[in-house]
Formats: sequence, structure tokens, C-alpha cells
Amino acid sequence: DSGVTQTPKHLITATGQRVTLRCSPRSGDLSVYWYQQSLDQGLQFLIHYYNGEERAKGNILERFSAQQFPDLHSELNLSSLELGDSALYFCASSVVLGGASGELFFGEGSRLTVL
Amino acid sequence: SQQGEEDPQALSIQEGENATMNCSYKTSINNLQWYRQNSGRGLVHLILIRSNEREKHSGRLRVTLDTSKKSSSLLITASRAADTASYFCATEGGLGGGSQGNLIFGKGTKLSVKP
Repeated sequence: DSGVTQTPKHLITATGQRVTLRCSPRSGDLSVYWYQQSLDQGLQFLIHYYNGEERAKGNILERFSAQQFPDLHSELNLSSLELGDSALYFCASSVVLGGASGELFFGEGSRLTVL
Repeated sequence: SQQGEEDPQALSIQEGENATMNCSYKTSINNLQWYRQNSGRGLVHLILIRSNEREKHSGRLRVTLDTSKKSSSLLITASRAADTASYFCATEGGLGGGSQGNLIFGKGTKLSVKP
């Protein structure tokens, strides 16, 4: 158990819909990262928050947004869903600003299926 | 975009044999990390090697880093069926490359260890 909690574990929805994925980082971790994993694109970095502030954006679509709340949990919002958004979405946390000083702790992921 | 690329994409061996996976990356790095992922599960950190280190051991794992060739290898000795998983290298961009603090993952090597 990494200590990172993601909900929901599975989500099935229709094209055009909007979903919210939630992540609770490990106790004390200030950094939260979101990754998308699909068969064709592999593991893609989406966005990084540190102590409530956005620190870096990766390959995140404009239809996607995220935020980190004062209690450090984070939410990833996916809107106007398309079939290609079907993927496994991971949240990871670390105690430091970046991965330079150590590892990322990953949650078990949220599997999104868009029909 | 991928920073690291693992080779081979898939590897099948018998229990007790050694497994070697390679990773090549493109830009200068602060460190390189290896992660393991059981099918459909979250990634688990295995080992981190800093740019000024050449070799590191952890149990049955041995990681080497050659910054002149921008490559790393992960050796798993005396493999077990339980080692069956995908293995990813990840790098954090240093000066001149990547998004500092954010790990960029390769596409992984899928290891199958047959009993």
C-alpha cells in the first residue's frame, strides 16, 4: 500500500460527459502528479501541483483541468470526453518539490472507459 | 514525449535466469529511477541512481548508469515468477532538458518469468 488513494477505481461513461477523479496523497506529501497511461501513448505526465500551486504542465489537453486543495487532495477534471480518453489515470505524490530527492508514490489508478 | 526508451519491449525467461533491461535517454539528468508495474496496478519504485553514480544494488537488483552513453541497465538476478511485471525507467530533466521535478517515463519492458 503506497498510501496514495484514488477514487473511483473504475468509471464508465459516455462521450461528451464530464468526470472528476480524486486523489489523496500520502500523509505529509506536498507534491501531487497526474499521469495518463494508455496502450498507445504509454505513461504520459499531465500536471504537477505543489502545496496547492500548479508547478508544471505536461501533455494535458485543454479539456482537462486539475487542482490541489488546502488539505492537499487533488482532483482531475475531464470534460467533453472522447473515446480516446479511455485510459488508466494515476496520481502520484512525493514529499519534495520534485523527484530529484526521491521516489514517487503511485496510487492504484482510476480506470476510465468512455463508450 | 518520452525521455527514456526501454529495450527490449518484451522479455520472456525461465525462473532462475537473469533478466537485463536497458534504458536510453536523450537529455542530461539529475537521476534515473526504475519502477515496476504489475498488470493494471500502480507503479512501485525500485531504485534511484544519481548522475554521479555508476552502479547501485538493491537485493537482487543491480542498476548501472552510463551518462556518456545516456543509458542505464536494470539486472534482476535469479528471477522468480513473481518478478513478472512491466519495468519502466524514468528520468527527471536536469539543466537544459525536461521538466525539472517531473518524472518522464519510458514505454517499459514487459518481463515474463515462467516457472
